[in-house]
Amino acid sequence: QLQLQESGPGLVKPSETLSLTCTVSGGSISSSSYYWGWIRQPPGKGLEWIGSIYYSGSTYYNPSLKSRVTISVDTSKNQFSLKLSSVTAADTAVYYCASSYNWFDPWGQGTLVTVSS
Amino acid sequence: SYVLTQPPSVSVAPGQTARITCGGNNIGSKSVHWYQQKPGQAPVLVVYDDSDRPSGIPERFSGSNSGNTATLTISRVEAGDEADYYCQVWDSSSDLFLYVFGTGTKVTVL
Repeated sequence: QLQLQESGPGLVKPSETLSLTCTVSGGSISSSSYYWGWIRQPPGKGLEWIGSIYYSGSTYYNPSLKSRVTISVDTSKNQFSLKLSSVTAADTAVYYCASSYNWFDPWGQGTLVTVSS
Repeated sequence: SYVLTQPPSVSVAPGQTARITCGGNNIGSKSVHWYQQKPGQAPVLVVYDDSDRPSGIPERFSGSNSGNTATLTISRVEAGDEADYYCQVWDSSSDLFLYVFGTGTKVTVL
């Protein structure tokens, strides 16, 4: 049974880079059956897809965030990572990682990242 | 970009049927997926590919999709169904690779 867990700092200063890692257990991140994605949810608001990566390294980003986002995969650690640069208060959100095909399932529990000085 | 529009809220009495719509341009040509999110929890997939249910999701949850509207139907609503619900599509048209979520609907059980 696939499980995902996000990890990383809960507080990031404005203009700095947000970095999160998602650890996958119960399956291989190298599986050709899945993409691996990041989704965020600002407090009290809806869901926003950030980007996804295939085990081969092919990446796909939300055009609205593309200039600031980098997603990478480490198959040796069964992990994939998110970097979001030049953050502002508007990037404060719960960040989720999830496996995906056309849909997202399962999801990690999510981690709250606050952007504040 | 592709936009999915949901009603902000739906209220329903226990035992009745809740219908949550998701509007999008020619959404009937796409596969629609639905998520349930309870407060403080991660979203959970309840319907995929318009009308299929993942293992463990009650038969009370069903979906349909045609024209410009997809619908999630919750039959015999229970208090535990109170949650936010989001629709989602994968838009791979015109050299795009884009996941789009709906605006979300809060279901209140009266």
